[in-house]
Amino acid sequence: EAEVAQSPRYKITEKSQAVAFWCDPISGHATLYWYRQILGQGPELLVQFQDESVVDDSQLPKDRFSAERLKGVDSTLKIQPAELGDSAMYLCASSSRWGEGNEQFFGPGTRLTVL
Amino acid sequence: SQQGEEDPQALSIQEGENATMNCSYKTSINNLQWYRQNSGRGLVHLILIRSNEREKHSGRLRVTLDTSKKSSSLLITASRAADTASYFCATVRRDDKIIFGKGTRLHILP
Repeated sequence: EAEVAQSPRYKITEKSQAVAFWCDPISGHATLYWYRQILGQGPELLVQFQDESVVDDSQLPKDRFSAERLKGVDSTLKIQPAELGDSAMYLCASSSRWGEGNEQFFGPGTRLTVL
Repeated sequence: SQQGEEDPQALSIQEGENATMNCSYKTSINNLQWYRQNSGRGLVHLILIRSNEREKHSGRLRVTLDTSKKSSSLLITASRAADTASYFCATVRRDDKIIFGKGTRLHILP
């Protein structure tokens, strides 16, 4: 069964360093989402792509976060510089343009710890 | 900002009992979805109910939607240890924006 792949699964970094997360959605899924989930909370949307275009990045802290999906397939989320408050789980999800009601398929996530 | 608010925040029940979780939301929606998340893992889609539907079943899951009250409930019947997880409702607004609630942590006691 097709799955959303994410790497790395765990990342420990010091504040002010740069970090990058990678996501490979299910083949053929046009829509890709990046979420941040703080422990004990629900996922919060950071950025949504439709193919290679950003359709929603209203919650993305653009002074330090950036996201790209150059060929409309895999995607990278970068944080530079990382801050202590960025410690969280970063989830990637994808959905098919032909799917029912934006059902999303999630990857296993990257757990980021900023020291 | 989170639109859906689940309650209770946490729920512990005996194995075999039914578990009910509720979700309230604020704006008009296209559909509402429920997801499950096992500890430290990604979310898994459970069921979707459209705004013109009132009830939907999938296996041991039953979801209801009351658009006049802007609320939904998820019922898990005959709970099992494997149902221990966090459950999130996600509302898809008219502008296709999807917003997750804070979740209900369900613990099934042996």
